[in-house]
Amino acid sequence: EIVLTQSPATLSLSPGERATLSCRASEAIGNNIAWYQQKPGQAPRLLIYAATTRVTGIPARFSGSGFGTDFTLTISSLQSEDFSFYYCQQSSDWPPLTFGGGTKLE
Amino acid sequence: VQLVESGGDLVQPGESLRLSCAVSGLSIRDHYLSWVRQAPGKGLEWVAVVYSGGSTDSADSVKGRFTISRDNGNLYLQMNSLRQEDTAVYFCATQRGYFSPFDYWGQGTQVTVSS
Repeated sequence: EIVLTQSPATLSLSPGERATLSCRASEAIGNNIAWYQQKPGQAPRLLIYAATTRVTGIPARFSGSGFGTDFTLTISSLQSEDFSFYYCQQSSDWPPLTFGGGTKLE
Repeated sequence: VQLVESGGDLVQPGESLRLSCAVSGLSIRDHYLSWVRQAPGKGLEWVAVVYSGGSTDSADSVKGRFTISRDNGNLYLQMNSLRQEDTAVYFCATQRGYFSPFDYWGQGTQVTVSS
């Protein structure tokens, strides 16, 4: 099973600042990583897939990078609506499909 | 595309429950369909998948107790021998293929297992 470790667990920043969220895989997964945003009481929303591809309609301030085992989600200038939970997920080698433990951006 | 779950309830340990997910706007036979759950205050956990060809897989934590299936426009999760640790919001979600992300999600249905 591929384990995804997200860091930090909680990230405290202010609007306008840059956020850098990390996701590390226990083995190489190529570019088969996706990032989701989840707000309380809602379903996750896909932001980024294939490590770097932004979903249509997702603001350009969201970007993804990385390959192999280390991946990053960057939010260039935080807006109030960005404060939320973020999860990474791998689809390189499964089952089981696995998610990271999440980062709370507050 | 719209996914709408139903069937969540409060049940006692050892009981059974069947969840449904009505899928519209896409052909379920062209997509992988999964159940993903989220325990209170916890992260996301993949539960089971039915592949476009109709075969299935499930997580070790539910193997032998949960069965995923589909018919025309609907996804199901039959949950038997429920445990307290199965308490979660259950989401249905779609993928276009093996390496694809979950691109569409339902709003979730709450399952609570408690005596």
